[in-house]
Amino acid sequence: NAGVTQTPKFRVLKTGQSMTLLCAQDMNHEYMYWYRQDPGMGLRLIHYSVGEGTTAKGEVPDGYNVSRLKKQNFLLGLESAAPSQTSVYFCASSFGFGDGYTFGSGTRLTVV
Amino acid sequence: AQSVTQPDIHITVSEGASLELRCNYSYGATPYLFWYVQSPGQGLQLLLKYFSGDTLVQGIKGFEAEFKRSQSSFNLRKPSVHWSDAAEYFCAVNGDSSYKLIFGSGTRLLVRP
Repeated sequence: NAGVTQTPKFRVLKTGQSMTLLCAQDMNHEYMYWYRQDPGMGLRLIHYSVGEGTTAKGEVPDGYNVSRLKKQNFLLGLESAAPSQTSVYFCASSFGFGDGYTFGSGTRLTVV
Repeated sequence: AQSVTQPDIHITVSEGASLELRCNYSYGATPYLFWYVQSPGQGLQLLLKYFSGDTLVQGIKGFEAEFKRSQSSFNLRKPSVHWSDAAEYFCAVNGDSSYKLIFGSGTRLLVRP
């Protein structure tokens, strides 16, 4: 009963480096989301997916790309990291309408 | 555009005292409303949700919330706070698609012994 698993949990990047954050869910949820959390700003939606093979932009998509090749996985990529992308990233999933989200435990990313 | 406002950034209460966390939303249609709790270093956990029907909803850990359409509010309450309730609380409303949630900026609850 893992729910939503995010890897890695912590990462430090240098400006300009790239990385991929992995989110995996074992609940057969259709919808998956990536949020970033910054102090005093709550959670802001980066990208989301409504099913395998689909992705869409959220509130703050610039500088990020995503892919959902398999239903259970949702990848978030940073092609060229910037200090402004220092944040805690949360992945979430939901079955559908009105179910609320199940969240992962987060990835703390620092870009220096 | 949909939005959620949590006017209190921090709230401090004594253990055993009652608690009310405020949430106001802006949404044109009937909203779907949620409260989440986040303990330090953890992800968010769903406390309760409101879709329709009874405007007073019960959640986990002894929390409840009341939907008031006339005030566009969905305040979270607990009659007696425990030290373990110290955390950050987020209110959320569904966005332009029912599966996308808009979160408030959060209220951090501190509990005095």
